[in-house]
Amino acid sequence: QVQLQESGPGLVKPSETLSLTCIVSGGSISSYYWSWIRQPPGKGLEWIGYIFSSGSTNYNPSLKSRVTMSVDTSKNQFSLKLRSVAAADTAVYYCARHAPYTSGWYDPFDYWGQGTLVTVSS
Amino acid sequence: DIVMTQSPDSLAVSLGERATFNCKSSQSVFASSNNKNYLAWYQQKPGQPPKLLIYWASTRESGVPDRFSGSGSGTDFTLTISTLQAEDVAVYYCQQYYNTPPTFGQGTKVEIK
Repeated sequence: QVQLQESGPGLVKPSETLSLTCIVSGGSISSYYWSWIRQPPGKGLEWIGYIFSSGSTNYNPSLKSRVTMSVDTSKNQFSLKLRSVAAADTAVYYCARHAPYTSGWYDPFDYWGQGTLVTVSS
Repeated sequence: DIVMTQSPDSLAVSLGERATFNCKSSQSVFASSNNKNYLAWYQQKPGQPPKLLIYWASTRESGVPDRFSGSGSGTDFTLTISTLQAEDVAVYYCQQYYNTPPTFGQGTKVEIK
C-alpha cells in the first residue's frame, strides 16, 4: 500500500521560504506524476503543481513565480519550495499521487498524504 | 482556468435517504479522443485528506461502496449517495483533470437531518 508523508516546519515567517518534503513508501516514485495541493483552514483545495519522476514540472500559473519542485528518486521523495510567503499561504499542504490511468498527468489523485499545516506568521 | 461550481453548498439528508449534489464546469471536460469525462469526486472528512471516490465521472475507485455513483457528461455532473449512512457525513469535492491547472469545486457539505 502506497503511503505518503509530508514533513517540514509548521511555522514560517512572512517573506521567507516554505520548504516541504513528501516521502513515498510502499511503492516506487518512478514513472508517476506527483502533486502538491493546499487547503487554507476551512476552505477549498488549490493545486500547486506537479513533478514527474524524471524531474519535469508544471506549476499553477497563480503561484508559478514563487514555486520550485524537485525530486530525489534515490530517496523516493519529492519536495516543494514556496518563496516570499505571506499570511495567505497559511494552509494544510498535501502531497498526492496522480493515478496511473493515462500515460500523462491527466489523472485524478489516488493517494494523499495526511497533510501538514503550515502557518505563516512572525 | 476551468471553474468548477458545486451545488448546493450544504445538504441535510435523513439516514437511509438519497443524497444528490451537482458539479458544473465552465467548459466541457469531455474528450472525444477517448470518450471520457475528466471529472473526479472526492470525499473529505474532518482532519483527513480527500479520498478519491469516482473518476472518469462514473467509475468507482476500488473499495468504494456501491451506494456512491457518479453521472453526467460535458459540463454537468452529479454524485449520488443512494442510501445515506452516518459515515458519509463529509465534504464532497469535484475536480477536473482535463486541463492544467486541475481545479476543484468549492465543496458540498453533507450532514444528517
